[in-house]
Amino acid sequence: DAGVIQSPRHEVTEMGQEVTLRCKPISGHDYLFWYRQTMMRGLELLIYFNNNVPIDDSGMPEDRFSAKMPNASFSTLKIQPSEPRDSAVYFCASRETGATYGYTFGSGTRLTVV
Amino acid sequence: GEDVEQSLFLSVREGDSSVINCTYTDSSSTYLYWYKQEPGAGLQLLTYIFSNMDMKQDQRLTVLLNKKDKHLSLRIADTQTGDSAIYFCAPNSGYSTLTFGKGTMLLVSP
Repeated sequence: DAGVIQSPRHEVTEMGQEVTLRCKPISGHDYLFWYRQTMMRGLELLIYFNNNVPIDDSGMPEDRFSAKMPNASFSTLKIQPSEPRDSAVYFCASRETGATYGYTFGSGTRLTVV
Repeated sequence: GEDVEQSLFLSVREGDSSVINCTYTDSSSTYLYWYKQEPGAGLQLLTYIFSNMDMKQDQRLTVLLNKKDKHLSLRIADTQTGDSAIYFCAPNSGYSTLTFGKGTMLLVSP
């Protein structure tokens, strides 16, 4: 298995632009999580899905952030409009129901908003 | 919600043992994980322990759990320079999610 695949690995964008981050979970995993990592706040859970349905989006910082999972093999996290304080590493992770809760993480997308 | 605390930094010499500590607040956590993050990479699952266990050994790694004090530790025996990384403690919160500490940066010097 190729693991959790995220794209792009790096994104540099100007303030006000729309940014879309992509994730392909491991086949057969029915949970998908989006995390944001910064030096100040560590790893924050933004949203998670079960069977493509958003379960908890209480970690999404503002209405500028939205996430979708149109099918079991693809999810997007969109920021519109982006701001410099959104600069962070965004991780996607997946896991399988019945497993011991452990997640498999992607390599992350490093977002820089200038 | 769950709070997870870790010391931020640990420095050891190659060949020594490293002990990384973690405290958490949710006594209902049933699975407690340790993840490792190398520079520029995602988090890699290292090991985990069930809450009905006190200790788990996995090659050079030993996990100790004191459920009464809500204290978890990770011991790395014969620490190598390749062990330099950030280590995250992550107990489960509720059924589906993990809460991560801020991570302990382990620096191993030759």
